[in-house]
Amino acid sequence: GAGVSQSPSNKVTEKGKDVELRCDPISGHTALYWYRQRLGQGLEFLIYFQGNSAPDKSGLPSDRFSAERTGESVSTLTIQRTQQEDSAVYLCASSLVSPSYEQYFGPGTRLTVT
Amino acid sequence: QKEVEQDPGPLSVPEGAIVSLNCTYSNSAFQYFMWYRQYSRKGPELLMYTYSSGNKEDGRFTAQVDKSSKYISLFIRDSQPSDSATYLCAMSTQNNNDMRFGAGTRLTVKP
Repeated sequence: GAGVSQSPSNKVTEKGKDVELRCDPISGHTALYWYRQRLGQGLEFLIYFQGNSAPDKSGLPSDRFSAERTGESVSTLTIQRTQQEDSAVYLCASSLVSPSYEQYFGPGTRLTVT
Repeated sequence: QKEVEQDPGPLSVPEGAIVSLNCTYSNSAFQYFMWYRQYSRKGPELLMYTYSSGNKEDGRFTAQVDKSSKYISLFIRDSQPSDSATYLCAMSTQNNNDMRFGAGTRLTVKP
């Protein structure tokens, strides 16, 4: 079956602009996770959805970051007024049960802020 | 101090070698220990998981957890060029909603 998909695969934006990243989880997966991966660093947890509610928003680095999820479907991560330090690969994952260590990752969105 | 420490490498070995990858951690509440493999420009994929202490074997891969030392390892026997990837350790508490990843070790297996 189809895996987790993310769009766009690459995004170059100017400092100060807003960006929206999209994640389509595996159909039927109740949990959805967003991570950030900076060059040479491990995955940094951002936010986790159980259905369309987010019980854990502790990882969002600032109020410029927000995320939504429609039911148990698509999720969008929005970064407002982007800064150069936001440049990273943003990875989305989903899992059948929530929460779970068995997460299926998408290919990521590579964000470059110039 | 980071919660999870992992040597980023890079690590280069000849084909057929035994590879040892390691992570240390500081949070004694971690109960689930995972290894993910990430190929270039791809998302990580779950390779193995272990609950609490002990060993787990799956083909050429063996995962070991030593909770008393807060130390986990992944061994790859008879390494193949197709094993060339970045290996990330990850761990979480009983809740599983707080997974923490290591920085990843980049492995190259040369034919």
